Amino acid sequence: DTGVSQDPRHKITKRGQNVTFRCDPISEHNRLYWYRQTLGQGPEFLTYFQNEAQLEKSRLLSDRFSAERPKGSFSTLEIQRTEQGDSAMYLCASSPSAYEQYFGPGTRLTVT
Amino acid sequence: GIQVEQSPPDLILQEGANSTLRCNFSDSVNNLQWFHQNPWGQLINLFYIPSGTKQNGRLSATTVATERYSLLYISSSQTTDSGVYFCAVDFRDYKLSFGAGTTVTVRA
Repeated sequence: DTGVSQDPRHKITKRGQNVTFRCDPISEHNRLYWYRQTLGQGPEFLTYFQNEAQLEKSRLLSDRFSAERPKGSFSTLEIQRTEQGDSAMYLCASSPSAYEQYFGPGTRLTVT
Repeated sequence: GIQVEQSPPDLILQEGANSTLRCNFSDSVNNLQWFHQNPWGQLINLFYIPSGTKQNGRLSATTVATERYSLLYISSSQTTDSGVYFCAVDFRDYKLSFGAGTTVTVRA
């Protein structure tokens, strides 16, 4: 069991650019979650998948954000036309059905 | 609305001291987890405890679901216990709602 992995760990981009993050869940975990954490706050839910189906999206996830989980394995989160307000830690978690969630190390995004 | 409240927001301890962190939540839950966030930002699972009491070394946790609170106990604190502790709750909707965290500083 290698744990949840995320790539890249850090990303610096200029405003207006597109960025894509990847999450590899613990194998055989059918649920995968994305959260966002800004400085001094607790993480906030963005979206989750059960296998390849995206079952819920938060109102925090504007039209510039899109997430996919092809084949129910890894997931990608893309942000188009980044804004300075998108600067945050993006956290991925996985779980076996609706039980304990395990988090990856996160991707820290800085938009300049 | 649905809420998760943690107290205290900040806690300063002398090494060797004991402490209690509290999490109050506003509705019935499927799942409650306690995490420790390390300086690099990773959330480390401490307890999965929707009800009852669990212990792991110097840490223990109790959740009283009927009264909608959970407690995390740290005994004989060490400097490595420093960091932010989060309570997170699944209000029967499969996603975790986090409290604002308790920042613990343990001084040698």
